[in-house]
Parts: sequence; C-alpha cells; structure tokens
Amino acid sequence: GESVGLHLPTLSVQEGDNSIINCAYSNSASDYFIWYKQESGKGPQFIIDIRSNMDKRQGQRVTVLLNKTVKHLSLQIAATQPGDSAVYFCAEKFGNEKLTFGTGTRLTIIP
Amino acid sequence: DAGITQSPRHKVTETGTPVTLRCHQTENHRYMYWYRQDPGHGLRLIHYSYGVKDTDKGEVSDGYSVSRSKTEDFLLTLESATSSQTSVYFCAISESDTEAFFGQGTRLTVV
Repeated sequence: GESVGLHLPTLSVQEGDNSIINCAYSNSASDYFIWYKQESGKGPQFIIDIRSNMDKRQGQRVTVLLNKTVKHLSLQIAATQPGDSAVYFCAEKFGNEKLTFGTGTRLTIIP
Repeated sequence: DAGITQSPRHKVTETGTPVTLRCHQTENHRYMYWYRQDPGHGLRLIHYSYGVKDTDKGEVSDGYSVSRSKTEDFLLTLESATSSQTSVYFCAISESDTEAFFGQGTRLTVV
C-alpha cells in the first residue's frame, strides 16, 4: 500500500532558530494529516492537524503547511527550544482507512 | 496523556507464552487502537475498536487478538509470543475517527 515518507531522518537546529520538518505523501486522496511529537520513552503527542481543504494552519509556535500539488506536508517550529528535541511523525488518513504513520524525523536542538 | 493507562509498562516473557497487554481509558472515547513501534517502521496498526465488542484488524494483526468488553478497556493478547513480537506497544484513543491520543507505551521483550 501507499505510505507516508519523510525527506530527512535527522535534523539539527540551533536553539532559537526556526526548524522545518518535511513529509511526503503519495496518495492524492488523503484528506487529513497530523503531526505528532514523541519524546524519548513517551508516547506520541498530538501537535497539530490539517485537512485537505486547507493550505496552512497555525498553532502555538507551530505551523503546518500542505501543498497538495506536490503532495508535501511540512511542520514549521518557530524559535526552537531545547524541549523541542524529539522525533516528529507525520500521519495521513484517506477515505475510511486508518491513520498511516511515517518513520519519523529526529529533531535535535543545539544549545 | 489524555486519561490513558497502559499496563504493564515493561514485560519480559519467554517464547511460546501467552501475553496480555491492557489499555484503560477514562475519557469515554469511542475508538481505541493498538500500535506497535519498531525502528525503521514507525507506528503500525495492529487492531482497533470502534465500540464495545466491535473490533477490526490493522496492517500487522497476525499473531494478535483483541477484546473490548467495556468502553474503557481494550486488551491485546499474544496467544503464543514470538521474538518478532518484541516491540514497544502503544494504545491510542479517539472520539472521532481523526486524531488519536496515545498512552505511554509498553515495552515487551520476548526471549
């Protein structure tokens, strides 16, 4: 089946800088996307979601962008902090299928 | 963690023995899920439930069974554990078939 993928498995960002985590999906029928954050030893934590009828959605310090033309999803984290260090997963849902997760990107914040 | 409790948090068992993992929620959410997380595979859905006594298979259901006799509890059973079932297991809940909230995980080692 089709799956969600990530461009980069690891990303290092200087504290205070902005970070961008990317995700590619292959199914144009996907209509719902979520970003999760997973800290070591913990379960994934919901960050933000977006539906396919939107291009952009903002939360607190985070923004998700959806480009349906190239089937690309990104998570922008503004003014990164040490607590942002984690693995970030994107997940997609299409039709009546369940959420499908990517393999994750490890974000490391450099002090 | 959105009122989700997984037990046990850690377990070591021998090949061929039965194992049951429990997920308990206090949110009265309709949907409950069991995922496994392995390096290089991200989160993969094992089974899910959309109501009491209503369950269905996920993408990696072989070797696993589930039961949901009441809204708050979702049990995952490995009838005869194998080394390939060594993994971290996550339970998740959701009110609708959209975003899911995860528990802290159960680390299972089959020796």
